[in-house]
Amino acid sequence: ILNVEQSPQSLHVQEGDSTNFTCSFPSSNFYALHWYRWETAKSPEALFVMTLNGDEKKKGRISATLNTKEGYSYLYIKGSQPEDSATYLCAPSGYSTLTFGKGTMLLVSP
Amino acid sequence: KAGVTQTPRYLIKTRGQQVTLSCSPISGHRSVSWYQQTPGQGLQFLFEYFSETQRNKGNFPGRFSGRQFSNSRSEMNVSTLELGDSALYLCASSSNRDPFNYGYTFGSGTRLTVV
Repeated sequence: ILNVEQSPQSLHVQEGDSTNFTCSFPSSNFYALHWYRWETAKSPEALFVMTLNGDEKKKGRISATLNTKEGYSYLYIKGSQPEDSATYLCAPSGYSTLTFGKGTMLLVSP
Repeated sequence: KAGVTQTPRYLIKTRGQQVTLSCSPISGHRSVSWYQQTPGQGLQFLFEYFSETQRNKGNFPGRFSGRQFSNSRSEMNVSTLELGDSALYLCASSSNRDPFNYGYTFGSGTRLTVV
């Protein structure tokens, strides 16, 4: 069972602010790192799946980086908007398991 | 394209009863996984099915079981319900044989309340 830590637990920012979250995980037996966005009353939505050390992915104003050697990933949101309000989950996978962190809850105020 | 469909959306059961939840994956998706979320906990992996075979199982008691049919639809069953089984149960499907490398599409979940 992987120990996945996400920080901060929650975050409240103003519209237009840029923000970032951290996902820490054991670097041994690493296979892939998933990021999901989960809005209230909706289904978790896949953002990124990353596998290579140094990988960087971008989707609109959201980007993520991966460091498999030290076991962390950062998720960045540039110019936060109220519609970015959600819980952001990371999930590292071993070969046959996907272990979710407890998430970072982001609230963006207009 | 229809998404992952879970039924029912809400369910209230009494301690000791058993319950069956259903999940219809996206057409063509053959991998189906189930997760449980309880307050204060992350998504906990229950099990994963691929082509009617359980490939992986999480750390849950034997009261939790599942199956997958030839059309990839999946059911999970919880017998002898306990109060602690109250949770949101999410189903997720993947088109790829290796969902851990390619990601999931989640359903909206079934909210189970045990009283």
